[in-house]
Amino acid sequence: GDSVTQMEGPVTLSEEAFLTINCTYTATGYPSLFWYVQYPGEGLQLLLKATKADDKGSNKGFEATYRKETTSFHLEKGSVQVSDSAVYFCALRGTGANNLFFGTGTRLTVIP
Amino acid sequence: EAQVTQNPRYLITVTGKKLTVTCSQNMNHEYMSWYRQDPGLGLRQIYYSMNVEVTDKGDVPEGYKVSRKEKRNFPLILESPSPNQTSLYFCASSLSRGANYGYTFGSGTRLTVV
Repeated sequence: GDSVTQMEGPVTLSEEAFLTINCTYTATGYPSLFWYVQYPGEGLQLLLKATKADDKGSNKGFEATYRKETTSFHLEKGSVQVSDSAVYFCALRGTGANNLFFGTGTRLTVIP
Repeated sequence: EAQVTQNPRYLITVTGKKLTVTCSQNMNHEYMSWYRQDPGLGLRQIYYSMNVEVTDKGDVPEGYKVSRKEKRNFPLILESPSPNQTSLYFCASSLSRGANYGYTFGSGTRLTVV
């Protein structure tokens, strides 16, 4: 079945450091891939998405590229800020799927 | 503002006392879903609905009920809550069930069953 494996946290970085959170997936067909962010005490917000191979999703300085050959969708940001501290979820939705499959989440803490 | 509204945000109840968590969306979305979030397990789908009067089980439906009498509302019902249903619950909606559509989430309901 469809599944997402996400880098375990927590991750602690200094402000302006480079961020990578790894995400790999297993799916049949041609899924769409998503990154969601959950700030403390809030619901999940869509951060970015990619709907086909080699697409790059980007938003707020974050980027992720849909790599079919490595079944990956790693999240990157060149220079993190304290305000980026949150939990990040990688997710997958298959063609005609009734479910959005989530990874277990990676908690990021950015220190000044 | 386009949003999914859940109520209540926090709820403490006793074992066996029926409760309902409400969910409403104002985006005319066809698809709605309930998830529970538990540490180390991520989000797991409880039930989903593809449209009015069409609901189906997700991965962890035991102990829960839902209904979809109107397009905008999708309440989650716990007929006889138990402590293992203590969790953070999220309602979500999307325009359709297609792969391209992400979800809009509510702010969550933190339920404690004692």
